[in-house]
Amino acid sequence: AQSVAQPEDQVNVAEGNPLTVKCTYSVSGNPYLFWYVQYPNRGLQFLLKYITGDNLVKGSYGFEAEFNKSQTSFHLKKPSALVSDSALYFCAVREPLTSGTYKYIFGTGTRLKVLA
Amino acid sequence: DGGITQSPKYLFRKEGQNVTLSCEQNLNHDAMYWYRQDPGQGLRLIYYSQIVNDFQKGDIAEGYSVSREKKESFPLTVTSAQKNPTAFYLCASSKTSAYAGELFFGEGSRLTVL
Repeated sequence: AQSVAQPEDQVNVAEGNPLTVKCTYSVSGNPYLFWYVQYPNRGLQFLLKYITGDNLVKGSYGFEAEFNKSQTSFHLKKPSALVSDSALYFCAVREPLTSGTYKYIFGTGTRLKVLA
Repeated sequence: DGGITQSPKYLFRKEGQNVTLSCEQNLNHDAMYWYRQDPGQGLRLIYYSQIVNDFQKGDIAEGYSVSREKKESFPLTVTSAQKNPTAFYLCASSKTSAYAGELFFGEGSRLTVL
């Protein structure tokens, strides 16, 4: 079974500093990886995805993620954090099913707190 | 604007009652999903449907039921058999089961058992 792990429950960073939210994955075959953000009592918003190609993926709101096959990681990054980036972040992987369909497996989430 | 609409936003239920959460999408997506979110546990898949009149159990289907009579609609019923139903429920959709892209989410429904 495919899985993702987010080793940090919470990450604190000062406004203006670079931020990194970590994600590692375990898959068989080529990974399809995603990052989402969730604000309180809201649904998840898509940030970016890695399907194939360039290992550095750029997404919404200035976020990017680096796919590293040798380290099986897909860390989310931003060069300069904003207080408004404070939210819950989820990493996800798409898992193929025997029926030929897919489901999406989510990590446990990392709470990002950007301090003014 | 296209999107996914979940209702109600907040719902309170007495023990022993069934409740139904609505999920409607106008994105013309084939695949729809229901997830449950609990603090510190991420999202867990309850049911999913790839086409009309067909759906499959996810990882935590016990105590839940769904229907997919229309492409746009995928309601979730939380039955009295669900022992711990208090949670935040999220509906999502994607273009097709073979689509390599992202899920689109609704705003969620928070169910509280009194």
